[in-house]
Amino acid sequence: AQSVTQLDSQVPVFEEAPVELRCNYSSSVSVYLFWYVQYPNQGLQLLLKYLSGSTLVKGINGFEAEFNKSQTSFHLRKPSVHISDTAEYFCAVSFQGGSEKLVFGKGTKLTVNP
Amino acid sequence: DGGITQSPKYLFRKEGQNVTLSCEQNLNHDAMYWYRQDPGQGLRLIYYSQIVNDFQKGDIAEGYSVSREKKESFPLTVTSAQKNPTAFYLCASSIDLPTGASGELFFGEGSRLTVL
Repeated sequence: AQSVTQLDSQVPVFEEAPVELRCNYSSSVSVYLFWYVQYPNQGLQLLLKYLSGSTLVKGINGFEAEFNKSQTSFHLRKPSVHISDTAEYFCAVSFQGGSEKLVFGKGTKLTVNP
Repeated sequence: DGGITQSPKYLFRKEGQNVTLSCEQNLNHDAMYWYRQDPGQGLRLIYYSQIVNDFQKGDIAEGYSVSREKKESFPLTVTSAQKNPTAFYLCASSIDLPTGASGELFFGEGSRLTVL
């Protein structure tokens, strides 16, 4: 079955600390991978995406993610977070050759404390 | 500025009433989507449309209806048959379907529906 799992529903960190938000997927076909961010009471905006090529992808606001095919993971990282990074982060996967839908994880709420 | 406009931002409804949420885009995108967001549930797909006058059910279409009479517009009606309609509704569009080379979705700012 094709699925997306975000392992942590909430991640609290202190300002300037590094953070990793985890995303794993299950698929027997090729995938496209995305991370979106949602600030309170707003829509989602794209942080970064992996379609092909280099497995290390850099996005906006200093975030990056690494595609690991053998571990079926696409974890999001930032070396030093700011208060303004407090938001909910969603991993999403497009399964190629199958259903024409983007499947979202349930989200990880990142809270950056001073 | 190109983007997606959803209205109203907040909406209150009495039980038994139908309500229509508006979604307009000026990005010239072919595909449009409606998602429902509940706390801790992520985003669940209600309906999507690839082209004008054509749309498909998503994972939770029961109690909802849509139309796509114009490329830029994709309104969602929450009917009285929807048993638990209180939620945050997000409209999105994309150049093509997620299986296409782009796959990126552009989202509106959402409409929060509360049933009293």
